[in-house]
Amino acid sequence: KAGVTQTPRYLIKTRGQQVTLSCSPISGHRSVSWYQQTPGQGLQFLFEYFSETQRNKGNFPGRFSGRQFSNSRSEMNVSTLELGDSALYLCASSAGQGYEAMDTQYFGPGTRLTVL
Amino acid sequence: GQNIDQPTEMTATEGAIVQINCTYQTSGFNGLFWYQQHAGEAPTFLSYNVLDGLEEKGRFSSFLSRSKGYSYLLLKELQMKDSASYLCAVRALPGGYQKVTFGTGTKLQVIP
Repeated sequence: KAGVTQTPRYLIKTRGQQVTLSCSPISGHRSVSWYQQTPGQGLQFLFEYFSETQRNKGNFPGRFSGRQFSNSRSEMNVSTLELGDSALYLCASSAGQGYEAMDTQYFGPGTRLTVL
Repeated sequence: GQNIDQPTEMTATEGAIVQINCTYQTSGFNGLFWYQQHAGEAPTFLSYNVLDGLEEKGRFSSFLSRSKGYSYLLLKELQMKDSASYLCAVRALPGGYQKVTFGTGTKLQVIP
């Protein structure tokens, strides 16, 4: 099976711009979670989508949004970029049944976003 | 909310054994994961514990005590390639669906 893919791998934007990141989960996985990783804060949960519905949301401002399509691919959008948004954005996919004991998340390679 | 603590950095010698601890506080606990993350790469899954006890997988073992809110990852016969960050992550079902929270990670340096 192909792994989780993310595009683009690297992105440079300026303050005030917006950005859209894409994630394609492992075939058959229906859950996609997004994380922001910075050296000081570690992995911070952004949101999780399952079957095109947002199931969970972290403590990020409304500038961060996402969606999931019927083929389980997901996009994350950040509007009005700030310098502090510079980070590695990771998505992770899982089967997503929720109550299963072994619903392991598998990560994509990430998108490195730099805001100037 | 959830609170996860693990040491920031550790150093160990090639061929030795190292134990990385993780303590957590959460409601609706439903499992604990360990991930390995090499610099510049994505986290990769190492182990999962949901019941108390030790899970062994080759050179890596993970232990869980739910009553103490405590887990550790044990790495034996350390190799240079084990130099990486090790992330402890707790899964909880606070309101129905799972939510996974990660610790800030322990950066392990293996020295010759």
